[in-house]
Amino acid sequence: QKEVEQNSGPLSVPEGAIASLNCTYSDRVSQSFFWYRQYSGKSPELIMSIYSNGDKEDGRFTAQLNKASQYVSLLIRDSQPSDSATYLCAVNQGGKLIFGQGTELSVKP
Amino acid sequence: GAVVSQHPSWVICKSGTSVKIECRSLDFQATTMFWYRQFPKQSLMLMATSNEGSKATYEQGVEKDKFLINHASLTLSTLTVTSAHPEDSSFYICSADNDGPFYGYTFGSGTRLTVV
Repeated sequence: QKEVEQNSGPLSVPEGAIASLNCTYSDRVSQSFFWYRQYSGKSPELIMSIYSNGDKEDGRFTAQLNKASQYVSLLIRDSQPSDSATYLCAVNQGGKLIFGQGTELSVKP
Repeated sequence: GAVVSQHPSWVICKSGTSVKIECRSLDFQATTMFWYRQFPKQSLMLMATSNEGSKATYEQGVEKDKFLINHASLTLSTLTVTSAHPEDSSFYICSADNDGPFYGYTFGSGTRLTVV
């Protein structure tokens, strides 16, 4: 079992729709969780972090964490073509960030 | 916010030669930096943890004699790919942060290495 798993996609949504990205992790002691966005040929940029169970909203982005189910998700509302990228889920394990394989999102105009 | 600078952005080298990649924290001191490698269409794989003033800690399966890491100061870590081969061609990315691991890390811009 991989430490951090994501649906590889690609996920295609129309402009203005909600994009839903999912991630599961295996290490129960993990305390902090992150979503990074990576455009092709670029390095990842942090878009959301979450530490407590529940929802955390930042603009069009909402991260959801359920530690009991070892599940993290990211919702992108009002998706824009500029949101087309690969979204990486990362989990802090003992001070090291471990990444999932990423989900490629395509937002169609 | 924290800024991490990585140089060069891309490099082409001949098989058998060595290449050095620099990672600098510009506005903070980083006792720990991390080096990742990313192959096309794959995720970031942690290669090693670079610790200022001490030896790097390598992840399982990473050849420490091939990927030499030096963290000589609180703002600079270097990764040297020795005796590079075409299979070492990849996107190498460093990261660091002054807020600690709980809050995530800032990544450098990455180095695209092509070995011919």
